Amino acid sequence: GQNIDQPTEMTATEGAIVQINCTYQTSGFNGLFWYQQHAGEAPTFLSYNVLDGLEEKGRFSSFLSRSKGYSYLLLKELQMKDSASYLCAVRLGGSYIPTFGRGTSLIVHP
Amino acid sequence: DSGVTQTPKHLITATGQRVTLRCSPRSGDLSVYWYQQSLDQGLQFLIQYYNGEERAKGNILERFSAQQFPDLHSELNLSSLELGDSALYFCASSGGPAATDTQYFGPGTRLTVL
Repeated sequence: GQNIDQPTEMTATEGAIVQINCTYQTSGFNGLFWYQQHAGEAPTFLSYNVLDGLEEKGRFSSFLSRSKGYSYLLLKELQMKDSASYLCAVRLGGSYIPTFGRGTSLIVHP
Repeated sequence: DSGVTQTPKHLITATGQRVTLRCSPRSGDLSVYWYQQSLDQGLQFLIQYYNGEERAKGNILERFSAQQFPDLHSELNLSSLELGDSALYFCASSGGPAATDTQYFGPGTRLTVL
């Protein structure tokens, strides 16, 4: 199976920057998603990376290195509402169904 | 609001029973995906339908089945329910079956089996 590794939990201070890492097995890689999920709610789409590099979207950016099997989600100017779980999901070649990691629970405190 | 709707929002039932969860995709989307999310397993893909036909199958138990109707809404049927089936069930939709499609998730149905 596909191993997708993310830290279980992170904490950060309001106004700060936090980087959430995701590593995966590179064989057959065909795209990586980041989703945000507040407790008990639906995952909401944040970003999609299929080529190497940084994609910036407002306060959120996502980076991908295909050769290293590595991605990160960067959240700037943290707000209390950013407290949520962040899910990394990877597509493998031949299957367009993404496999989700267990998610990283981010706690933003004042 | 993703545009994907799911009913009911909450469902409480007993072991051995059968339930049906319903999903309406975003307007224009042809693909529907079902996921199960429990505390110890994370988000697990169950099954995908595209334009009425089964497209991909994940970790779906034989006690579970799904279908997509001509109007593109989908139903997930769970039978002979067990305590371990208690979870959040999400439906997601996308425009087509292709690898570039992003999935948009509905609000989920919380199933509690007592």
